[in-house]
Amino acid sequence: GAVVSQHPSWVICKSGTSVKIECRSLDFQATTMFWYRQFPKQSLMLMATSNEGSKATYEQGVEKDKFLINHASLTLSTLTVTSAHPEDSSFYICSARDLQGNYEQYFGPGTRLTVT
Amino acid sequence: DAKTTQPPSMDCAEGRAANLPCNHSTISGNEYVYWYRQIHSQGPQYIIHGLKNNETNEMASLIITEDRKSSTLILPHATLRDTAVYYCIVSRSKYSGGGADGLTFGKGTHLIIQP
Repeated sequence: GAVVSQHPSWVICKSGTSVKIECRSLDFQATTMFWYRQFPKQSLMLMATSNEGSKATYEQGVEKDKFLINHASLTLSTLTVTSAHPEDSSFYICSARDLQGNYEQYFGPGTRLTVT
Repeated sequence: DAKTTQPPSMDCAEGRAANLPCNHSTISGNEYVYWYRQIHSQGPQYIIHGLKNNETNEMASLIITEDRKSSTLILPHATLRDTAVYYCIVSRSKYSGGGADGLTFGKGTHLIIQP
């Protein structure tokens, strides 16, 4: 099946710093990738839709200037959490749609962010 | 996207079939039923999807009622590794213009396989 990777798998950063998370589709191309966030004991919540070669679309309540998304190629999307604060600590998960399939989404393993 | 309703938790004995129900009474004609599962601290894993016909793959079977208002995911021979949260999601597929849709996750069903 299609494989999506994320890097890093976990990161600890100090409050006020920025953190970049990479999402790659390893064996397929994806014009659209999605970023989700999951707090402990809660379900995944869609943050934004990342489109190759164009601006990302953010869900209501998600600050686009705080969560910068870049989708520079058909296999790579990045999420940068700028000026991170402890309340940004969460599990960030990306997904990608396989253009050759039925558009089922394949998810990465997630990135655990802890802001101290 | 239509909303789904699932029981919060279920138990199943190892080796038995696990039947996970889902209600989606407001599903529209161009929406598919997707099932994903999430093992603790991992990204969700795609299981199966369908429109109105029953579907089967190497992981599971999906039974959709004729009125499409509910469905059941069947894991034919559950193992301990099937312990996870299972999400039933309705969403458009590429055949109905759904290429740019993110998924709306509910709370899912926490399936616990007992040895």
